[in-house]
Amino acid sequence: GAVVSQHPSWVICKSGTSVKIECRSLDFQATTMFWYRQFPKQSLMLMATSNEGSKATYEQGVEKDKFLINHASLTLSTLTVTSAHPEDSSFYICSTASGDYEQYFGPGTRLTVT
Amino acid sequence: RKEVEQDPGPFNVPEGATVAFNCTYSNSASQSFFWYRQDCRKEPKLLMSVYSSGNEDGRFTAQLNRASQYISLLIRDSKLSDSATYLCVVNIGWGKLQFGAGTQVVVTP
Repeated sequence: GAVVSQHPSWVICKSGTSVKIECRSLDFQATTMFWYRQFPKQSLMLMATSNEGSKATYEQGVEKDKFLINHASLTLSTLTVTSAHPEDSSFYICSTASGDYEQYFGPGTRLTVT
Repeated sequence: RKEVEQDPGPFNVPEGATVAFNCTYSNSASQSFFWYRQDCRKEPKLLMSVYSSGNEDGRFTAQLNRASQYISLLIRDSKLSDSATYLCVVNIGWGKLQFGAGTQVVVTP
C-alpha cells in the first residue's frame, strides 16, 4: 500500500501561536488527502478533504479559517492550526485514498497547546 | 446518535479464547466496510475489509448484515498481540470514512 508520512510527529506550542503539520504521500500521487482529528477515547473525526490544486472541503463544524489546508502538489498537503487554543490539543492524522477503497494513514501528529 | 456505534469494552480475553463484538452504522447508503486496528497513540491500520458474504482472514472473521446495518468481528485463538482497539469503519462515498470510537480488547496470559 501507499506510504504516508507526517511531520512533526508531536509538537507543543503556546496558546495563540500557529502550527503547521505536513502530510506527504511518499510513493503515491494523491489528488485527494483527508485530515482527521482524534480526541482521547473518541473516534477519528473527518475534518476536511484536501484536493490538489483546489480548495479543501470542510466538514460541518470545522472552521476553515482556523484550520488552513493547502494541497499544492500531488505529494504534499499541509494543515495549519492558526491561533491554537488548548482545546485544539488532539491527535491529527492524514490519509490518502486509493480510489474509493482503502485509505492509507500517516503516523499522526500529537499536538499539545499550553 | 453516533453514526457508527461500538461497545467500547474493554473485552478481557484469556489467551487462546474467542472474542466477538459488533458495531452498528446509521447511513444506509454506506458503500464499504472495514475493521481497523489502532494501537495506543498510533495511527489506525487496516485489519480487513468486510464483505456481504462474510469473510475470513486467518483467525479473524468479519460479517456484514446490511439489512440490520451491523458489522461483526470475531477473533479466534486470541494472541497477546491482538490486544488493541478495533475500529469499525464505514465508507459513505467519495472516500469519506466514518469511524466508530473503537472496542478495546485486552488479551491476558
